[in-house]
Amino acid sequence: EAQVTQNPRYLITVTGKKLTVTCSQNMNHEYMSWYRQDPGLGLRQIYYSMNVEVTDKGDVPEGYKVSRKEKRNFPLILESPSPNQTSLYFCASRPQSVGGYTFGSGTRLTVV
Amino acid sequence: GNSVTQMEGPVTLSEEAFLTINCTYTATGYPSLFWYVQYPGEGLQLLLKATKADDKGSNKGFEATYRKETTSFHLEKGSVQVSDSAVYFCALSQASGGSNYKLTFGKGTLLTVNP
Repeated sequence: EAQVTQNPRYLITVTGKKLTVTCSQNMNHEYMSWYRQDPGLGLRQIYYSMNVEVTDKGDVPEGYKVSRKEKRNFPLILESPSPNQTSLYFCASRPQSVGGYTFGSGTRLTVV
Repeated sequence: GNSVTQMEGPVTLSEEAFLTINCTYTATGYPSLFWYVQYPGEGLQLLLKATKADDKGSNKGFEATYRKETTSFHLEKGSVQVSDSAVYFCALSQASGGSNYKLTFGKGTLLTVNP
């Protein structure tokens, strides 16, 4: 089944403790992206990647890092999480040609 | 920059009622347009899309037509079911900042269908 898989689904952590949210897609898509969803603010892009070793900032990149060492994987790294990063995070991928993004099921992160 | 405006919710309908959720956009050129649906506790699923003017996207009884002249992409369904209760997002995608095909989303419209 074609899908984007994120892990974990739920995570509670403490301020300053480094964490990684994994994202993997099995569709050989070139583009991958991370979004966060917050009440009243909608969905905002954090980082995106056009292919292996090619990444760039989206609208709200502060406090996040990404890497794209393999085409299928696009992990989101929070080096020193803070409470304002409490949010629902989505990873998404799409092929290089015109088309819609396929989204993962989301990761609900709480930073206390 | 690009933007998407969709009707404020929540929208509450009875089963078998007609649904319209309005969506208008601001963008240069010809963006691709999408409707996504988010069921409670789940991720976003692509519902339908249209990539050029006058295209009609359709899926699961939902339809939307890409209207360049009115910059609109309204979502419609002739007869809603309880299982259609979800949040619906209108979105556009267009290359910006080089090759960033970012999705720009509307704020979402919560639909509740009562039996």
